[in-house]
Amino acid sequence: RKEVEQDPGPFNVPEGATVAFNCTYSNSASQSFFWYRQDCRKEPKLLMSVYSSGNEDGRFTAQLNRASQYISLLIRDSKLSDSATYLCAVSHGSSNTGKLIFGQGTTLQVKP
Amino acid sequence: EAQVTQNPRYLITVTGKKLTVTCSQNMNHEYMSWYRQDPGLGLRQIYYSMNVEVTDKGDVPEGYKVSRKEKRNFPLILESPSPNQTSLYFCASRARGGLTDTQYFGPGTRLTVL
Repeated sequence: RKEVEQDPGPFNVPEGATVAFNCTYSNSASQSFFWYRQDCRKEPKLLMSVYSSGNEDGRFTAQLNRASQYISLLIRDSKLSDSATYLCAVSHGSSNTGKLIFGQGTTLQVKP
Repeated sequence: EAQVTQNPRYLITVTGKKLTVTCSQNMNHEYMSWYRQDPGLGLRQIYYSMNVEVTDKGDVPEGYKVSRKEKRNFPLILESPSPNQTSLYFCASRARGGLTDTQYFGPGTRLTVL
């Protein structure tokens, strides 16, 4: 079993839809959580960190559920420009190695 | 402009011919790492470095070497490339001090080994 798992999709949604992705992690010692966005085999870019209390940035909301060991990303009012692959990343943080473990990514395709 | 650069961006080579992919960052970051990305497998860490002259293996280090002689540079060396090293490679850097610091990725190097 992979340490960080995501449904690869693709998720095909119409413009304006609300879409949610989940990412599960297996190591209960995980301490830091992130969502990255990757466009068409370009480099991943940090979309948002995920805090214990949940956090929101415009149309994007990230949440953490430690009990069930998953993080989620909610995108409201989807735009065509949201089409991309969304990677979740998790770290254990037990030592300051900065090692991030990535899921394989979830592909989102927003259609007109 | 804060950035991580990699060269070359695209490379086609043959089995056994040594190659080096360079990585440089201008943000004075202590921490640098190399990843490879393959379909269905996601990003996997090859090697990382916490500072000059300090390097360590990631999850898939076999067939790769790195060096960190200067803070800004972190080259990836394939002494004898094989077809299973055909992949998309990313270099990344971040400031040491916690995982809340943003990790910046380079633009990627697409390597094909024939």
